[in-house]
Amino acid sequence: DAKTTQPPSMDCAEGRAANLPCNHSTISGNEYVYWYRQIHSQGPQYIIHGLKNNETNEMASLIITEDRKSSTLILPHATLRDTAVYYCIVRVESGGSNYKLTFGKGTLLTVNP
Amino acid sequence: NAGVMQNPRHLVRRRGQEARLRCSPMKGHSHVYWYRQLPEEGLKFMVYLQKENIIDESGMPKERFSAEFPKEGPSILRIQQVVRGDSAAYFCASSRRDGGNEQFFGPGTRLTVL
Repeated sequence: DAKTTQPPSMDCAEGRAANLPCNHSTISGNEYVYWYRQIHSQGPQYIIHGLKNNETNEMASLIITEDRKSSTLILPHATLRDTAVYYCIVRVESGGSNYKLTFGKGTLLTVNP
Repeated sequence: NAGVMQNPRHLVRRRGQEARLRCSPMKGHSHVYWYRQLPEEGLKFMVYLQKENIIDESGMPKERFSAEFPKEGPSILRIQQVVRGDSAAYFCASSRRDGGNEQFFGPGTRLTVL
């Protein structure tokens, strides 16, 4: 799986959009970008994933650049409960050992009141 | 729908004792994955099981660690003769099918070895 690079920490004001970047310059054509988050003392929670088109669900939006070398997770209206470590993971959707989620150190997002 | 359940949530063992961690997957899920998270680090894959089968245990230490997912009952991660370095959070995840686009994680078991 391709390696990802994320900033170690970010701050965001409550009610504002949080934009979390991820670099994955060695991503392969069949690899998806996944985002998980881990709130303190809890298990990781799936947020969203995408291949090349932008994706949106009830939790967040995922913007993938045209060359697919980077992406941004957007939380449109951050709340205090969004404070967590956010992990960007690149993996193939099926086959091989795609079940092995590889978590780096992620980005600690702190939402401030 | 109940999520992935793990117990106990906290486990304290003395060096040399055995630790037994349990994971009940979500209803309808037959694939279980165990991960370990050392302090200040990301989660690391340990083992992938289906009912009565170990599919991939490449991330699990070869000694003292074992895992099973019997036909009936929860998946068990067993650590024999624990050492202080085994202190970590152990997370279980489950998915409906092979690989699983969405692995749903349990709350974890925090093991402390004294």
